[in-house]
Amino acid sequence: AQKVTQAQTEISVVEKEDVTLDCVYETRDTTYYLFWYKQPPSGELVFLIRRNSFDEQNEISGRYSWNFQKSTSSFNFTITASQVVDSAVYFCALSEANSNYQLIWGAGTKLIIKP
Amino acid sequence: TAGITQAPTSQILAAGRSMTLRCTQDMRHNAMYWYRQDLGLGLRLIHYSNTAGTTGKGEVPDGYSVSRANTDDFPLTLASAVPSQTSVYFCASSEEGLQPQHFGDGTRLSIL
Repeated sequence: AQKVTQAQTEISVVEKEDVTLDCVYETRDTTYYLFWYKQPPSGELVFLIRRNSFDEQNEISGRYSWNFQKSTSSFNFTITASQVVDSAVYFCALSEANSNYQLIWGAGTKLIIKP
Repeated sequence: TAGITQAPTSQILAAGRSMTLRCTQDMRHNAMYWYRQDLGLGLRLIHYSNTAGTTGKGEVPDGYSVSRANTDDFPLTLASAVPSQTSVYFCASSEEGLQPQHFGDGTRLSIL
């Protein structure tokens, strides 16, 4: 079974719309970390956020926000007032204490922001 | 600029040939990683090294080998390339296993 599921393969929205990227994870560890990375069309991978399993506070960074819900094993990412520059593939990843903290990646969601 | 340097940027290789992908970091990070990225599969870990002198197998290690003779360098070798190894390869590093990983720009490898 996939440990990190990003069910949305591709999302397309018009600029200025809000958009939420879903991430559902599966783990038996009590200590784990969740990450989001961005891969713009240029191909590099950019770290966005890391959240540990003991901190369920939501995080906001400018137009980006993350909603961590242990009850539903989800770590969703919302972009408010999207911009064309947000177009990228976004990856959610899980790091478990019992797996030597190796990153397990979701398949990614391709986000297209149309002008 | 500090970071991770991968070489070559891209390569076309005949099946059966050997190839070493180079990765160098100047951040003095202890941990280094090699991933392959294939469409629809995200990134998959090939090999990793938690510190110089040690290496470990990731999710898809078969057909690949690595070495970690020093902190900065983490080369990935394909001993006898096969077409299924056509992929984009990313090298990454982090201070320790828990920290965010920093990525190189990737190597696009095509095996014909």
